[in-house]
Amino acid sequence: GQNIDQPTEMTATEGAIVQINCTYQTSGFNGLFWYQQHAGEAPTFLSYNVLDGLEEKGRFSSFLSRSKGYSYLLLKELQMKDSASYLCAVIGGGYNKLIFGAGTRLAVHP
Amino acid sequence: GAVVSQHPSRVICKSGTSVKIECRSLDFQATTMFWYRQFPKQSLMLMATSNEGSKATYEQGVEKDKFLINHASLTLSTLTVTSAHPEDSSFYICSARFQRTSTDTQYFGPGTRLTVL
Repeated sequence: GQNIDQPTEMTATEGAIVQINCTYQTSGFNGLFWYQQHAGEAPTFLSYNVLDGLEEKGRFSSFLSRSKGYSYLLLKELQMKDSASYLCAVIGGGYNKLIFGAGTRLAVHP
Repeated sequence: GAVVSQHPSRVICKSGTSVKIECRSLDFQATTMFWYRQFPKQSLMLMATSNEGSKATYEQGVEKDKFLINHASLTLSTLTVTSAHPEDSSFYICSARFQRTSTDTQYFGPGTRLTVL
């Protein structure tokens, strides 16, 4: 089976840094994705990791360790507009469909 | 990033009617599209995988006769909710698979909010 775990909720202060963790167990692995979803809207693509290491893209970075089944999304210089749900998703082996975690609701406070 | 459109964005219908939702990849061809459903404060649940020119693959528990999927071209997939009931009220989101040499990801449409009275 496939299982993806991430914290349900997190809070942080504007201007700070926050790390959202994701652990997964899948039969095979073809990549891990992070999406951002604001309430009432569809998810928007943030990052894609298929190899171990850190991918940096502006204020957002994503890290992957395949041996540990672990990823994190790092958000720097938090802004109020970063308040949203962050979804971790994995493509397992032999499939081309994304399996989503339940999402982490991030609240950024002034 | 690649653009996926969805129409309509919002629909309200009476119980027992059928509703068709369109998903289009605007600037790329997508041999594979996906249909998700999302209830309030829950994550996306994959309903089915839509493959161009072949039958859709439905996830366990999803009724294929109720949720009809057609993927007639490389840029269009449609989901028809037949004989809709209030419990079908949800946020329906499609995505299109975008494959290039260095990436394989999905881009999502803006979603369709269905309310069945």
